[in-house]
Amino acid sequence: NAGVTQTPKFRVLKTGQSMTLLCAQDMNHEYMYWYRQDPGMGLRLIHYSVGEGTTAKGEVPDGYNVSRLKKQNFLLGLESAAPSQTSVYFCASSYSRDNYRSGNTIYFGEGSWLTVV
Amino acid sequence: AQSVTQLDSHVSVSEGTPVLLRCNYSSSYSPSLFWYVQHPNKGLQLLLKYTSAATLVKGINGFEAEFKKSETSFHLTKPSAHMSDAAEYFCVVSNRPQYNAGGTSYGKLTFGQGTILTVHP
Repeated sequence: NAGVTQTPKFRVLKTGQSMTLLCAQDMNHEYMYWYRQDPGMGLRLIHYSVGEGTTAKGEVPDGYNVSRLKKQNFLLGLESAAPSQTSVYFCASSYSRDNYRSGNTIYFGEGSWLTVV
Repeated sequence: AQSVTQLDSHVSVSEGTPVLLRCNYSSSYSPSLFWYVQHPNKGLQLLLKYTSAATLVKGINGFEAEFKKSETSFHLTKPSAHMSDAAEYFCVVSNRPQYNAGGTSYGKLTFGQGTILTVHP
């Protein structure tokens, strides 16, 4: 009963390095999301996907790229890491885009702590 | 536009006493409202959600919240705090799906800043 799994959990990068965060979900959800969490700011949406092969920008997409080649996986890439990207990253997935649906719940992973020095 | 304000960044209670975490929201439409809890180094877990049905919503672990449209509030309460309730709590608002320029849409979630709940023995 894995739910949403993120790897790696912790990573330290030097400025300018690249890396990819992997998110995997086993609930056959169409919708997947990447958020970042910064102190005092709650969670902010970076990118999201409405299905295999589709991606779209969220609130804070600059400096990030994403891919959804398989329905169960959603990758977040940093091509040239910057200290401003030091944050905790959360992946999430849901059955529906409409949070009005009483049965729709967004499931979150346990987070990936990224430090850029 | 939608926004969420959690009125307290930190709340401290004694075990066995009531918990009140305050949340006010702003929304152009009738919103959906949620409370999530985050334990240290863990992901977010849904406590409860309001989606225009009963205004008093019961969640997991004895928590409940009341939607008050006239006060634009959605405060989270629990009659008796337990040590395991110590965590950070987020109030979240969502409107109906919004469409971006590419034609895709999602139910945008706007998070409050979070309230850290400390429970003393």
